[in-house]
Amino acid sequence: NAGVTQTPKFQVLKTGQSMTLQCAQDMNHEYMSWYRQDPGMGLRLIHYSVGAGITDQGEVPNGYNVSRSTTEDFPLRLLSAAPSQTSVYFCASTLVVAGVAYGYTFGSGTRLTVV
Amino acid sequence: AQRVTQPEKLLSVFKGAPVELKCNYSYSGSPELFWYVQYSRQRLQLLLRHISRESIKGFTADLNKGETSFHLKKPFAQEEDSAMYYCALWGYNQGGKLIFGQGTELSVKP
Repeated sequence: NAGVTQTPKFQVLKTGQSMTLQCAQDMNHEYMSWYRQDPGMGLRLIHYSVGAGITDQGEVPNGYNVSRSTTEDFPLRLLSAAPSQTSVYFCASTLVVAGVAYGYTFGSGTRLTVV
Repeated sequence: AQRVTQPEKLLSVFKGAPVELKCNYSYSGSPELFWYVQYSRQRLQLLLRHISRESIKGFTADLNKGETSFHLKKPFAQEEDSAMYYCALWGYNQGGKLIFGQGTELSVKP
């Protein structure tokens, strides 16, 4: 019953530090995505994956890396944190059957501050 | 290219008044449209899918392919409807990405 689990919930980084935001889902969903949410800009897609071993860039991929070695996990790596990456990050997953998406389930988010 | 536009950043209505949150989209093909709701910085929750044509919490939305719109409507707003509402588009033929509009904040006053 966990759904989509994100860790940590809060993080403060210094400029230049690196870190990994964790995302795990237990619903056997093939499709997973990472978003950042900023005031007035809605949710912007960073990276997404349509299955283990397959990832692609979204709208704002610069400064972020992803990998998908298992169906369950989709970590997001910040290579060298910058203040512009201060945001709330959401991970989401969905079931897709015969080309139809059943609606993404979202994690509770990670609030990241870069100082 | 996929694009979702929500023209209103803020919509303020009184309790009991009708509500319509606008959403327009751009997509080549047959899109899947969704409405999500976010209460007070919580996680996003799926409100509606155009495919299922459900009515949830009194909200409905009809896909108008001619006008490329998917407006969210409710006949009588309640104070507990106050939240951020996001329209989103999913395109299988565009790689399976879910793209969001900028969101509309709905404020229902007593």
